[in-house]
Amino acid sequence: EVQLLESGGGLIQPGGSLRLSCAASGFTFSSYAMSWVRQAPGKGLEWVSTISVSGNSTYYADSVKGRLTISRDSSKNTVYLKMNSLRAEDTAIYYCARKYSSSWSDTFDIWGRGTLVTVSA
Amino acid sequence: DIQMTQSPSSLSASVGDRVTISCRASQNINRYLNWYQQEPGKAPKLLIHSASTLQSGVPSRFSGGGSGTDFTLTISSLQPEDFATYYCQQTFTTPVFTFGPGARVDIK
Repeated sequence: EVQLLESGGGLIQPGGSLRLSCAASGFTFSSYAMSWVRQAPGKGLEWVSTISVSGNSTYYADSVKGRLTISRDSSKNTVYLKMNSLRAEDTAIYYCARKYSSSWSDTFDIWGRGTLVTVSA
Repeated sequence: DIQMTQSPSSLSASVGDRVTISCRASQNINRYLNWYQQEPGKAPKLLIHSASTLQSGVPSRFSGGGSGTDFTLTISSLQPEDFATYYCQQTFTTPVFTFGPGARVDIK
């Protein structure tokens, strides 16, 4: 079964750091770019970051640039999101998603269940 | 940056109704437009890509249309499991993406 399982969320104080993990199974992880998408409580979806198949290219939303870092370990079939200098506005469910690319479209075709990050004193 | 808007932001409908949700991009995105469904408490699910191509396994009562800046998602006959929030997403500026604010479909 194709699956993504996030972990690492929790309650963290403003200014703190956290590392989220997303373990992939059921597909060839090293063949896909991976992304993180977040959703603040009661709000819509916000794309956060994407990492290329090789891991050599990374992309970020302006709202997180310089504070969040995406990485991947193909030996562990895992993608990470290191979060530094956390702010209250980073409070959200963080979803991991597989990016499927074809010649005519990019999609987030597989999603994990999400992990909740709460930034509060 | 490309901004996405959706209308209505919410609607109430009955089982069996035909429902149409609109999505508008602030500039031409050709057909680089996806639709996702999110049921309460669950992760989003891909419904339609490339504006009108149904994702494998998605019921045929869902359809998408449009190109350029104006797009629609139509549910031909609303089913109980369709009460959810629907998001459009532009992928024209890949690898940077933008979601619309969402459109919630409630039971009347």
